[in-house]
Amino acid sequence: AQSVTQLDSQVPVFEEAPVELRCNYSSSVSVYLFWYVQYPNQGLQLLLKYLSGSTLVKGINGFEAEFNKSQTSFHLRKPSVHISDTAEYFCAVSSANAGGTSYGKLTFGQGTILTVHP
Amino acid sequence: DGGITQSPKYLFRKEGQNVTLSCEQNLNHDAMYWYRQDPGQGLRLIYYSQIVNDFQKGDIAEGYSVSREKKESFPLTVTSAQKNPTAFYLCASSIFLEGEQFFGPGTRLTVL
Repeated sequence: AQSVTQLDSQVPVFEEAPVELRCNYSSSVSVYLFWYVQYPNQGLQLLLKYLSGSTLVKGINGFEAEFNKSQTSFHLRKPSVHISDTAEYFCAVSSANAGGTSYGKLTFGQGTILTVHP
Repeated sequence: DGGITQSPKYLFRKEGQNVTLSCEQNLNHDAMYWYRQDPGQGLRLIYYSQIVNDFQKGDIAEGYSVSREKKESFPLTVTSAQKNPTAFYLCASSIFLEGEQFFGPGTRLTVL
């Protein structure tokens, strides 16, 4: 079984400050990792994903995340946030199947609400 | 534009009534999913479908039913057996069962 823990339920920051949203996962097999963003009363939009290769993944809107296998983490970072980044962020994990080619069903974390203050 | 549509955006129902939420996609994706979202609980999988005329229960299927008669459509019925149906419901699709998922805008269901 796999699980995801987002360590902070809410993160308040000031505009132009850096931010890190933390995500830890557990899985007994190889994983694929995702970060999604959700604006109020809307669906989820993919920010970035880690499938293989470089552990530093760059996504949309200036976000990046680093896959750390030894610490089973996939923290999301942005060096300078904007008011428009205010939203809820979800980390998700899926496990590779025996063939290592497919993503597996997604398991989501509980979400982190990022609030950017002027 | 390709995408996923869900209707209606807001839905109200009385206790004891069944209600059906619509989900349509024109992305030509084989797989479709229904999630339920509650504050502080993330997304939980209700049902998913890999192919037309086939679907599987997710983690919280009790009180829900689905059908997949067409590739483009995956309606979800919330039955009167669902004890706490008030929630935000999200539909998603992917090229194949375990591919990257794309989400619709959601339907907020409120039981009065």
